[in-house]
Amino acid sequence: DTGVSQDPRHKITKRGQNVTFRCDPISEHNRLYWYRQTLGQGPEFLTYFQNEAQLEKSRLLSDRFSAERPKGSFSTLEIQRTEQGDSAMYLCASSQQRQGGGNTIYFGEGSWLTVV
Amino acid sequence: ELKVEQNPLFLSMQEGKNYTIYCNYSTTSDRLYWYRQDPGKSLESLFVLLSNGAVKQEGRLMASLDTKARLSTLHITAAVHDLSATYFCAVGRTSGSRLTFGEGTQLTVNP
Repeated sequence: DTGVSQDPRHKITKRGQNVTFRCDPISEHNRLYWYRQTLGQGPEFLTYFQNEAQLEKSRLLSDRFSAERPKGSFSTLEIQRTEQGDSAMYLCASSQQRQGGGNTIYFGEGSWLTVV
Repeated sequence: ELKVEQNPLFLSMQEGKNYTIYCNYSTTSDRLYWYRQDPGKSLESLFVLLSNGAVKQEGRLMASLDTKARLSTLHITAAVHDLSATYFCAVGRTSGSRLTFGEGTQLTVNP
């Protein structure tokens, strides 16, 4: 078990370009989450999947953002027409839902995005 | 809208001392998490608290939950430098869905 893996770890892009981040969750975890974190703040929820179904999206997830989890395993988060305000660390997390809740949510190392 | 407040936001303490970080939340919750984050790193899960009166301990850290007061505490006993990090509490309302994080408490333990 290698934990939650994210790629790339760092991305610098010009304003207006598109970027895509990939997340590989812990194997067998059926839930996958995306969060965004800016310096000095706590992570903010973006969206989550159970298997391949996207069950909840935050208002933060504008129409420039799209997330997929096509086979219920890895996930991608794409940001189109990036803006400087998109600069942040994008965190992926996964968990295994079980009865009674209390599932630990494991976070990846994050993908740092800098929009210049 | 669920709001989570931590205090203090910054904490500087000496090695060997005890202190408590507080986490208040605004609406009913069924899960509370504590995470640690080192600079430039991801979040490390410390505790998951599920029920009123729950208490969990790991090393020098102990977390508790009072769902009636909507309050969780993270108590640090005899702090050591290695505990220097930012600590977040996060609250969930239904099992498996979004977590709402506090702003974090930046802890510095001085020799």
